[in-house]
Amino acid sequence: TQLLEQSPQFLSIQEGENLTVYCNSSSVFSSLQWYRQEPGEGPVLLVTVVTGGEVKKLKRLTFQFGDARKDSSLHITAAQPGDTGLYLCAGASGTYKYIFGTGTRLKVLA
Amino acid sequence: KAGVTQTPRYLIKTRGQQVTLSCSPISGHRSVSWYQQTPGQGLQFLFEYFSETQRNKGNFPGRFSGRQFSNSRSEMNVSTLELGDSALYLCASSLAGGITGNTIYFGEGSWLTVV
Repeated sequence: TQLLEQSPQFLSIQEGENLTVYCNSSSVFSSLQWYRQEPGEGPVLLVTVVTGGEVKKLKRLTFQFGDARKDSSLHITAAQPGDTGLYLCAGASGTYKYIFGTGTRLKVLA
Repeated sequence: KAGVTQTPRYLIKTRGQQVTLSCSPISGHRSVSWYQQTPGQGLQFLFEYFSETQRNKGNFPGRFSGRQFSNSRSEMNVSTLELGDSALYLCASSLAGGITGNTIYFGEGSWLTVV
């Protein structure tokens, strides 16, 4: 069974701080996506990474896909209250479905 | 272009009843997948349809079913509702489903409360 474990599960930080969220699996994924979900809404796609070792930047967010395509990280620089939400990683299983991570709930305090 | 549309957004049902949820995918998308999200279990895959065919199914009882129409719109049905079925049901559409490099886009979800 493919699983994606995210850490930490909860994170509460002050505005301006940096943070990193991890997404780990024992399985290889052909691609991996990161989503942010706000209360009462569906997840919104942030990025897709496909190549092992790939690094993508989206403003203050930096995403990295592990060389072996089993893990990924999301780093936020100078977090802002607007970054608050549930962050989810998801891996393409190759069988027409995505496996979602356990989620990291981030709260950025002003 | 319009996003994924789910209806209804909120509904309350009684144990034993059945419910049908609807999903209209992004225009041109032929794959529709359904997920159940609960605080305890996170996002769990229900099933995926492509061109009216179910290609994969998650580990849910037979009370959960779905279908896709020729216009790619999809419905999911839950019969004999149980309290544990209370959840946010999310629909996602994509061009080709959960394969390399393909992106799925979620709707806002349907909140189901079973009392």
